Amino acid sequence: GIQVEQSPPDLILQEGANSTLRCNFSDSVNNLQWFHQNPWGQLINLFYIPSGTKQNGRLSATTVATERYSLLYISSSQTTDSGVYFCAVARDNFNKFYFGSGTKLNVKP
Amino acid sequence: NAGVTQTPKFRVLKTGQSMTLLCAQDMNHEYMYWYRQDPGMGLRLIHYSVGEGTTAKGEVPDGYNVSRLKKQNFLLGLESAAPSQTSVYFCASRRGAYETQYFGPGTRLLVL
Repeated sequence: GIQVEQSPPDLILQEGANSTLRCNFSDSVNNLQWFHQNPWGQLINLFYIPSGTKQNGRLSATTVATERYSLLYISSSQTTDSGVYFCAVARDNFNKFYFGSGTKLNVKP
Repeated sequence: NAGVTQTPKFRVLKTGQSMTLLCAQDMNHEYMYWYRQDPGMGLRLIHYSVGEGTTAKGEVPDGYNVSRLKKQNFLLGLESAAPSQTSVYFCASRRGAYETQYFGPGTRLLVL
């Protein structure tokens, strides 16, 4: 399978701060997604981003597929951003997704 | 439009018992997935389906069976539950190969 490493594993921020989360993967991929798991366990789609850059409000993501990494940027963090952020990747058959262990974010008021 | 729903939300089983988890989606998605999430870990793919009547093994398929008799439903079965199957189970679906996944709320399973 594909090894997916996320860093940092834990992150504590003061409200209003910016952060960068990283996802490294061990093989070429055709599909990469970022998810947020809120404190109640719900998984929410953030980005489908196999390559390039996308932005959605305070969040943006960049994937450099040739160098096998993706970055998730959170600007002006809010307490509602707390939770765990997961990166998931898949390669040729597009269906066997491999998840990283996540970055646990705690935004303090 | 309910999205992806899972039944039941929580279940306690004794070792050796069997049960079926139901995933239903009303978005007419072709692809459906079953994952498990253990404490402090990411999700691991159990089985998936790329269309009605098709299923395939994921990363951790042992001890589980699946069926997709109707496009909107994906069933996950445990024939003889073991304590190692204590986990939170998530179902997901997506429209096609270049689309994002949408997740259900999860089923928390405790095997004693």
